[in-house]
Amino acid sequence: DQQVKQNSPSLSVQEGRISILNCDYTNSMFDYFLWYKKYPAEGPTFLISISSIKDKNEDGRFTVFLNKSAKHLSLHIVPSQPGDSAVYFCAAGSSNTGKLIFGQGTTLQVKP
Amino acid sequence: EAGVTQSPTHLIKTRGQQATLRCSPISGHTSVYWYQQALGLGLQFLLWYDEGEERNRGNFPPRFSGRQFPNYSSELNVNALELEDSALYLCASSLGDRELTPLHFGNGTRLTVT
Repeated sequence: DQQVKQNSPSLSVQEGRISILNCDYTNSMFDYFLWYKKYPAEGPTFLISISSIKDKNEDGRFTVFLNKSAKHLSLHIVPSQPGDSAVYFCAAGSSNTGKLIFGQGTTLQVKP
Repeated sequence: EAGVTQSPTHLIKTRGQQATLRCSPISGHTSVYWYQQALGLGLQFLLWYDEGEERNRGNFPPRFSGRQFPNYSSELNVNALELEDSALYLCASSLGDRELTPLHFGNGTRLTVT
């Protein structure tokens, strides 16, 4: 039972263009959503989060969109840079369980 | 500010042995989480500790256990090691369960069971 899914295992974009990473979830009890970036041999690094009371949160080049009716969130990176090349994980949780459920990850490659 | 630190970075054990992994959270963080990332798989939730208590547990057998100390550091114990326990074990910390705050991860302990 995979409650959080990232259906695209990989994504390749040109430097300067927009990267859009997608994530779907099934549990309507989730009220907190996050995106993490992971480089090889390092732990995941927190990027941006959004609570269920919002539908958009922006931080610099990163914007997360939440569509609760579709149980879908996405991460937009504009403009994409080669240093953004990494594995991106979406995660979802509910405040009373302390448990974050992670997607399988999407490998983003930004080409110079 | 020092991040989450984990030790050791690598650990090699034989089937049937026990492994102990350690984690120090970010100063001021009271919650510690453990995740397993097996090869080719995503992060699987193992355990959540807050204020010294186990608050939640993932779908893992009882031979995975741990504890949180009064200084909020934590250790994960894996008994009767099996080959499929080989994975990257990640520890994360957060401010606690009263707020929705992000988890901050360490760089993990790579456990290899031979």
